[in-house]
Amino acid sequence: GESVGLHLPTLSVQEGDNSIINCAYSNSASDYFIWYKQESGKGPQFIIDIRSNMDKRQGQRVTVLLNKTVKHLSLQIAATQPGDSAVYFCAESGTNTGNQFYFGTGTSLTVIP
Amino acid sequence: KAGVTQTPRYLIKTRGQQVTLSCSPISGHRSVSWYQQTPGQGLQFLFEYFSETQRNKGNFPGRFSGRQFSNSRSEMNVSTLELGDSALYLCASSLGEGNTIYFGEGSWLTVV
Repeated sequence: GESVGLHLPTLSVQEGDNSIINCAYSNSASDYFIWYKQESGKGPQFIIDIRSNMDKRQGQRVTVLLNKTVKHLSLQIAATQPGDSAVYFCAESGTNTGNQFYFGTGTSLTVIP
Repeated sequence: KAGVTQTPRYLIKTRGQQVTLSCSPISGHRSVSWYQQTPGQGLQFLFEYFSETQRNKGNFPGRFSGRQFSNSRSEMNVSTLELGDSALYLCASSLGEGNTIYFGEGSWLTVV
């Protein structure tokens, strides 16, 4: 089956620092990747996405980097704020998976004020 | 634009009962997917519907079923509930294959 894994299950950062959350994927055919944020008691919230024809994409305070050579994805959050505390998931989909997404196990980010 | 709406938000059922969960997608979205989220297994794909047809199914027993209506609203049903079915059931909608999927807040099911 598919495997989307996260390198670190938990991450603690000081408020104002930058955060980096990593994700590894195994399906070389995956061509669409999404990062989600899930706060306690809520559904996953879309943060940013990237397609395989790109290496980098930036949003507001967030950047996603894609390294297809080593099948690695990362989410960078600039100037991390307490409101960023949540669990972050990466998800992948490919032309051979229909509209089915495979999710990583998640990284719990805690921002220390 | 309203997001994905799921009902009910919380429910408690007894082993052996059945449950139906409902999902209203974002307006204009014709694809609806269902996921099960548990602490041990994470987010796992159940099935996806597009234009009332099931296009893809995850590795779940036949007790898990779903359907989609002509207005794109979807329901999922779990029959003969087991304790292990306790989970957060998430519905996600999208324009279709290759597009972003947006999640609802989920339905928390507890089986006792």
